Amino acid sequence: QLQLQESGPGLVKPSETLSLTCTVSGGSISSSSYYWGWIRQPPGKGLEWIGSIYYSGSTYYNPSLKSRVTISVDTSKNQFSLKLSSVTAADTAVYYCARHIVVVTARGWFDPWGQGTLVTVSS
Amino acid sequence: DIQMTQSPSSLSASVGDRVTITCQASQDISNYLNWYQQKPGKAPKLLIYDASNLETGVPSRFSGSGSGTDFTFTISSLQPEDIATYYCQQYDNLPSFGQGTKLEIK
Repeated sequence: QLQLQESGPGLVKPSETLSLTCTVSGGSISSSSYYWGWIRQPPGKGLEWIGSIYYSGSTYYNPSLKSRVTISVDTSKNQFSLKLSSVTAADTAVYYCARHIVVVTARGWFDPWGQGTLVTVSS
Repeated sequence: DIQMTQSPSSLSASVGDRVTITCQASQDISNYLNWYQQKPGKAPKLLIYDASNLETGVPSRFSGSGSGTDFTFTISSLQPEDIATYYCQQYDNLPSFGQGTKLEIK
């Protein structure tokens, strides 16, 4: 079955760029039915959608993060990636990747999810 | 932005109880509403999509209803393994989540 796995540094310094990769296995990232999304969860808090990407490279971002976020896709590696610039302690969170099953462009539900990776922003 | 308000924020119930969580949208979102279960230390899991459709493999004690601005998530008979935090998520516009409802066993 489809599985997603996040990878990347667990510690990032303030003002630097957070970079994570999600590797998709058990299915193709180039499927026409899906977007691929990033969601984060600060410790003890709720879920926040960061953005989603289609295999063609088309992206949709949360307006509150749009100025700092870049999501890209590498279909040859069946991976998609997240970059979040100018991080602060407020960006400390568990970052999840997920398949974004869309009904209308970038609108739908997330299933399945990766296990998540904790990224701490600290000097 | 569409704001999603869940209530209650926490809930304590006994095994076998009927449990209900509500989610209210700040504007009409038709049936574009999903429900997730997140167990401690785990990733969220999709339970219900389009307000009332049960995801494959999800036990039938879980159900959802509603449309417009008011939605309900119900567990018909609470089981010990249902201890989790539950989130609603709208997709009438770009995705956003409710703040979550933490469910505990009494």
